[in-house]
Formats: sequence, structure tokens, C-alpha cells
Amino acid sequence: AQSVAQPEDQVNVAEGNPLTVKCTYSVSGNPYLFWYVQYPNRGLQFLLKYITGDNLVKGSYGFEAEFNKSQTSFHLKKPSALVSDSALYFCAVRDKGNNNDMRFGAGTRLTVKP
Amino acid sequence: EPEVTQTPSHQVTQMGQEVILRCVPISNHLYFYWYRQILGQKVEFLVSFYNNEISEKSEIFDDQFSVERPDGSNFTLKIRSTKLEDSAMYFCASSVVGGSSTDTQYFGPGTRLTVL
Repeated sequence: AQSVAQPEDQVNVAEGNPLTVKCTYSVSGNPYLFWYVQYPNRGLQFLLKYITGDNLVKGSYGFEAEFNKSQTSFHLKKPSALVSDSALYFCAVRDKGNNNDMRFGAGTRLTVKP
Repeated sequence: EPEVTQTPSHQVTQMGQEVILRCVPISNHLYFYWYRQILGQKVEFLVSFYNNEISEKSEIFDDQFSVERPDGSNFTLKIRSTKLEDSAMYFCASSVVGGSSTDTQYFGPGTRLTVL
């Protein structure tokens, strides 16, 4: 069965600095990878996804993620963090053979300090 | 931009009572989903629904749970006899084209269910 791991519960960065939120995955076939963000009292908002093609995927709010097959990783990045980026970030994976069941990581809380 | 909506935002119920959580998916979407997130834990898949029937469900989705699309817009999750451990945030999601692993699921804001 597919799964993702987010090794950091919490990431703290200063505003203006680059940020990275880590995610590694495990699937039996080709992975379809997603990042979602959850602001307080809000639902999960889609940021970006990797299906195929260019390993660097660009998404909403200036975020991007790099698919690395050899390291089975899909880390979320942003060159310059904003205080408003502070939220809970979830990585998710779907296996090509499993159409509907999306498996989420435990989430990483990002705090950007002014 | 169209959004998935959910009502109520917070539901408090007594153990053993039935609850119905409501969702209005994005209008042109065909696949609908329920997930739950117990406080401090992962978001977990419960069930997916397409063409008026369940297409997939997890081991969490036992006989206590049921889903329905009673009309052209609502999608509901019913818990027949709530247990304390059903307390969680329940998220509804929808996607345009079902049955594709590449399709993006869009989530609602969630309903926080508290079972006393």
C-alpha cells in the first residue's frame, strides 16, 4: 500500500529565507504526489501535484516541489518565506493502481517568523 | 472560484445518537469523498462515491457509516450510532473526473464532530 512520511512535525524559518518541507513516499508503482495546505479553521487547499514530466513542479502562492525518484522524495520549497505561509502542510500520494484512496502524511507545521 | 462547502462547521452530539454531515461538492464534479482527521493525527480516507454508489471504502468505513447523494447537489455522511472515538474533523472532497489517480481532489473546510 502507498504511504508518505513527513519527518518533521515542525519547521521554523525567518521571513525572507528559503523554506523546505520534507516528504518521502512509498508506492509499488508510479507515484502521484500532492501537497495541500491547511490554514486555521479551514479545509485542505490544493497547492500542487506531480504526475509525470518535469521533476520540478510549480504551484500556488510561489511554492514548488521537486520529485526525486532515486530518493523517493517530494520536498516542498519556496525561495522566500512569508509570515502568511505559516500553516499546516500535508503531503499525499496515490498509487496508479488505486484510483481513489489518497494517503496523507502526518503534516508539518510551518511557522514563519517576522 | 468554486468551493466545496460543508455544514455544520461544528456538531456536538451524545454518544449513540445519529448524525448527518452535509457537503455540497463543486457543481461539475463527479466523484465525491469523505475523509476524517482525529485531533493531532493524519487525514484518513473513508469512502469515495461515484454514480450514486460507493466506489471504494476504507476499513474505517464500517456498517455505522453510510453515504448518500439525496439530490443533485448534496452529499451526506451519516453515522448511525456515534461513539466517542468518532470525534474528529470530517472533510468532504470532490474531483472533476473520477477514477483517475491524477485527478485533484478539492476539499471543504470540514465539520468538527464532538461526541460526548
